[in-house]
Amino acid sequence: DAKTTQPTSMDCAEGRAANLPCNHSTISGNEYVYWYRQIHSQGPQYIIHGLKNNETNEMASLIITEDRKSSTLILPHATLRDTAVYYCIVSREETSGSRLTFGEGTQLTVNP
Amino acid sequence: DVKVTQSSRYLVKRTGEKVFLECVQDMDHENMFWYRQDPGLGLRLIYFSYDVKMKEKGDIPEGYSVSREKKERFSLILESASTNQTSMYLCASSPPDWPQHFGDGTRLSIL
Repeated sequence: DAKTTQPTSMDCAEGRAANLPCNHSTISGNEYVYWYRQIHSQGPQYIIHGLKNNETNEMASLIITEDRKSSTLILPHATLRDTAVYYCIVSREETSGSRLTFGEGTQLTVNP
Repeated sequence: DVKVTQSSRYLVKRTGEKVFLECVQDMDHENMFWYRQDPGLGLRLIYFSYDVKMKEKGDIPEGYSVSREKKERFSLILESASTNQTSMYLCASSPPDWPQHFGDGTRLSIL
């Protein structure tokens, strides 16, 4: 699976959009981009995933560049409860049920 | 909502003990996983299972074994606990080709 690069930490003001970048320049054609987050003292929580097209659900939006070498997770109106470590993971969908490689992620702090 | 339940949030055991960590999921998922999480190392896959009585080694299986006698339950066993197995242990489950759902973890300390 391709490797990902994320900033170590980011800050965001409550109520503003949080844009979390991820670089995955070695992604291959059949690999998906997954985002999870982990709030302190809890297990990782699935947020969203996508292949080529932009995706949106009730939690977030995922924007993938046309060359698929990078993506951005957008939390449109961040709240204090969104403070967490956010993980960007690249994996083939048929193995998403088998092997997810979590790096160190981005610590997002939402400030009042 | 998917519920993945780990039997203990905190556990303290002694070196050399046999330790059982239990995980139960209520969504009839085929796949189940055990990870450990350590500062600076992220989550690392220990074992996973695609079906009852089936198991596959992950990236760091040494010192661990697993048991899956029923679809909803996946147990991680530390045959002879050592201090380097002090960690946060996370269980996850998923249907085929769909994202994994995690429990809240067991923080295990081996003294």
